[in-house]
Amino acid sequence: AQRVTQPEKLLSVFKGAPVELKCNYSYSGSPELFWYVQYSRQRLQLLLRHISRESIKGFTADLNKGETSFHLKKPFAQEEDSAMYYCALKETSGSRLTFGEGTQLTVNP
Amino acid sequence: NAGVMQNPRHLVRRRGQEARLRCSPMKGHSHVYWYRQLPEEGLKFMVYLQKENIIDESGMPKERFSAEFPKEGPSILRIQQVVRGDSAAYFCASSPREAALGGTRTQYFGPGTRLLVL
Repeated sequence: AQRVTQPEKLLSVFKGAPVELKCNYSYSGSPELFWYVQYSRQRLQLLLRHISRESIKGFTADLNKGETSFHLKKPFAQEEDSAMYYCALKETSGSRLTFGEGTQLTVNP
Repeated sequence: NAGVMQNPRHLVRRRGQEARLRCSPMKGHSHVYWYRQLPEEGLKFMVYLQKENIIDESGMPKERFSAEFPKEGPSILRIQQVVRGDSAAYFCASSPREAALGGTRTQYFGPGTRLLVL
């Protein structure tokens, strides 16, 4: 069965520092990977998808099939990046998303 | 577009009562997904529905839980005879019928319903 692991429940960095939120997955097929973000008192929203190869709000994520990872990175963290981040996987066929347990990012001034 | 709507936002029930959670998808979306988030855990898939059809209910508990998405009106997640372990946040997501560029239907989430069973 597919699984998504986010090893860090909490991550704290200072403003302007680089940040990396780790995500590892296990899936025998060719997955689609996503990062969702939930800001305080707001709903879960899509941040980026690996298939789009885009950069949103300065964040990027590269799918590494060899290491089965999809880490989220930003070179210079901002205070407004403080939020809960979820990595999610969608199977090749089907529509369900499998989520990791989330990482709470705090960017300190 | 108001986005995915869920109501109520908070629901308190006593053990043995029924809980009904409603989800109105985004305008133009015909696919609905329900997820449950237990305290200190990630979101877990429950069920995937299209209008009048259950497509995948592999994540639904075998008893007491049911879901529907009628031709008219919101999707309903129904929990009968609630127990304390049902206390959780229940999220609904919707996606459009046509796949977006790249072949993936992006799921847009509602604000969730927080169920507390006393």
